[in-house]
Amino acid sequence: AQKVTQAQTEISVVEKEDVTLDCVYETRDTTYYLFWYKQPPSGELVFLIRRNSFDEQNEISGRYSWNFQKSTSSFNFTITASQVVDSAVYFCALSEDHDYKLSFGAGTTVTVRA
Amino acid sequence: EAQVTQNPRYLITVTGKKLTVTCSQNMNHEYMSWYRQDPGLGLRQIYYSMNVEVTDKGDVPEGYKVSRKEKRNFPLILESPSPNQTSLYFCASSLGRGGINEQFFGPGTRLTVL
Repeated sequence: AQKVTQAQTEISVVEKEDVTLDCVYETRDTTYYLFWYKQPPSGELVFLIRRNSFDEQNEISGRYSWNFQKSTSSFNFTITASQVVDSAVYFCALSEDHDYKLSFGAGTTVTVRA
Repeated sequence: EAQVTQNPRYLITVTGKKLTVTCSQNMNHEYMSWYRQDPGLGLRQIYYSMNVEVTDKGDVPEGYKVSRKEKRNFPLILESPSPNQTSLYFCASSLGRGGINEQFFGPGTRLTVL
């Protein structure tokens, strides 16, 4: 069963628009860790954020913000006032406390048009 | 410079010809892992290692082998490559207990099996 679902395959926006990427996860563990990674067109994977299951505070980092809601098993990511440099594939990932694996979603491709 | 290196970056080979993709990290990380990235499937974990001489299967281990004889190196071995192993491969490492911390990724190895 897919542990991390990113239902949006592709999102296209015009520069300065806000864009929200959905991430829904599935786990039976009470302790788990959620991540977002960015993969720009150059191909490398860049870490954006890590959140553990006991910390439901939303986080903001510049134009990026994350909304963690345990009640809906979601960890959504919003880019405010998008820029062309935000064009990338974004991956949500889950690590559960009972093992050492990291499960990724299928990714959402964001294209920001000038 | 802290980094994860992979070699080769690109490889075209034929079915059945054994190959090894090397991975090395200079951050003294305990945890190392291999992933493959395929369109529409995101990244899937092949094998991981919690420390020297300790390895375990990820979600898609069939057709792959790994070894961890030194802390810094974690080679991926394809004993008899097949076309369905054509993919983009990433090595990653992280500090401490695997899966719960930020992972640092190598630049990727694009493998084509004819």
